[in-house]
Amino acid sequence: EDQVTQSPEALRLQEGESSSLNCSYTVSGLRGLFWYRQDPGKGPEFLFTLYSAGEEKEKERLKATLTKKESFLHITAPKPEDSATYLCAVMVGYSTLTFGKGTMLLVSP
Amino acid sequence: DAGVIQSPRHEVTEMGQEVTLRCKPISGHNSLFWYRQTMMRGLELLIYFNNNVPIDDSGMPEDRFSAKMPNASFSTLKIQPSEPRDSAVYFCASSQAPSGGNEQFFGPGTRLTVL
Repeated sequence: EDQVTQSPEALRLQEGESSSLNCSYTVSGLRGLFWYRQDPGKGPEFLFTLYSAGEEKEKERLKATLTKKESFLHITAPKPEDSATYLCAVMVGYSTLTFGKGTMLLVSP
Repeated sequence: DAGVIQSPRHEVTEMGQEVTLRCKPISGHNSLFWYRQTMMRGLELLIYFNNNVPIDDSGMPEDRFSAKMPNASFSTLKIQPSEPRDSAVYFCASSQAPSGGNEQFFGPGTRLTVL
């Protein structure tokens, strides 16, 4: 059974305090790993797709990396507006995603 | 583009009643997904359509749940009869897979409360 585990479940940072979120996966035949951001009361918002080990993608203060067993979402010098729940998901089949339960990030000013 | 549109945004109903959730995908997208999100189980795929045809409905919890996609711009998820354990946020998402990438774009969700 495909499994996606995110850690930590919750993370509290001070503004400017860099950190990383982890997404470990156990799947057969990974076709892609996806990161989403979800704000309270809203639908998930697409951030990145990573397709192969060693790949990295960046967007503003966020950088996603991928290995054969896990992905990291690095947040550099976060701001309060980065507070959200970050979800990762794996694609194994044709187009369907299996999501982790997310990491709730709170950045305090 | 307006993005994925869902209605209603909130639904409160009583146990045993029929509930219909609606979704309009992004124009030009050929894949549509229905998800359910709860605190306990997270985001779970219920059913996936490609070119209006149901491809994978293995996530549909039981026969009380049904989904249709009569055309490329409209889909419904129906629960009949509803039960309190169906209370959750239901999301619709669409994508242009595989030709346009596999990113799924989500709607704002419908928060369902069954009393």
